Amino acid sequence: DTEVTQTPKHLVMGMTNKKSLKCEQHMGHRAMYWYKQKAKKPPELMFVYSYEKLSINESVPSRFSPECPNSSLLNLHLHALQPEDSALYLCASSQDLRYTEAFFGQGTRLTVV
Amino acid sequence: AQSVTQLGSHVSVSEGALVLLRCNYSSSVPPYLFWYVQYPNQGLQLLLKYTSAATLVKGINGFEAEFKKSETSFHLTKPSAHMRDAAEYFCACRGAQKLVFGQGTRLTINP
Repeated sequence: DTEVTQTPKHLVMGMTNKKSLKCEQHMGHRAMYWYKQKAKKPPELMFVYSYEKLSINESVPSRFSPECPNSSLLNLHLHALQPEDSALYLCASSQDLRYTEAFFGQGTRLTVV
Repeated sequence: AQSVTQLGSHVSVSEGALVLLRCNYSSSVPPYLFWYVQYPNQGLQLLLKYTSAATLVKGINGFEAEFKKSETSFHLTKPSAHMRDAAEYFCACRGAQKLVFGQGTRLTINP
């Protein structure tokens, strides 16, 4: 099983809403990542978790709040987002931070209205 | 710092023609290099990876890439393009605790 599962696939939320994106993997990977991807651009790293601890925060605004409840799950809590936050949000995992490859989920298409 | 540069934001080939997508890397140490493909509204799928073993790497869907240290290149090729190959392709290298992506190349296949 080399699958990273993200839910929901699509999400429309208002600027005052609170929502969460979920990511799950069962490959025993100990590193997990959140990326943001705008149209026609490469993915931009947001957060890295290693062994369930936050390792990297790429200066992401506090309206994005990551959480890693256990080694298989990664959440991204969203609050008071702006329309410019609309994007494809990708989760990925790798064996650890010394990985040779990362596996990506199918993404959540987020629209902020 | 490690980085990759993809030459050509858009490549267009005819069905059955050779596909060549260019990637050059900048690294002070032997790099780990990857090619990913992204179909519309989907995530990234790993096509192939170079991890300092064989310099010619074979991937999925008939793609392969050759690592050339003298040219600091890792170009992606496929002998015969198929319509289903139309997608965005990203070259990437391993940086400190993360992947570093190129800007991507959109591959269009003409019938």
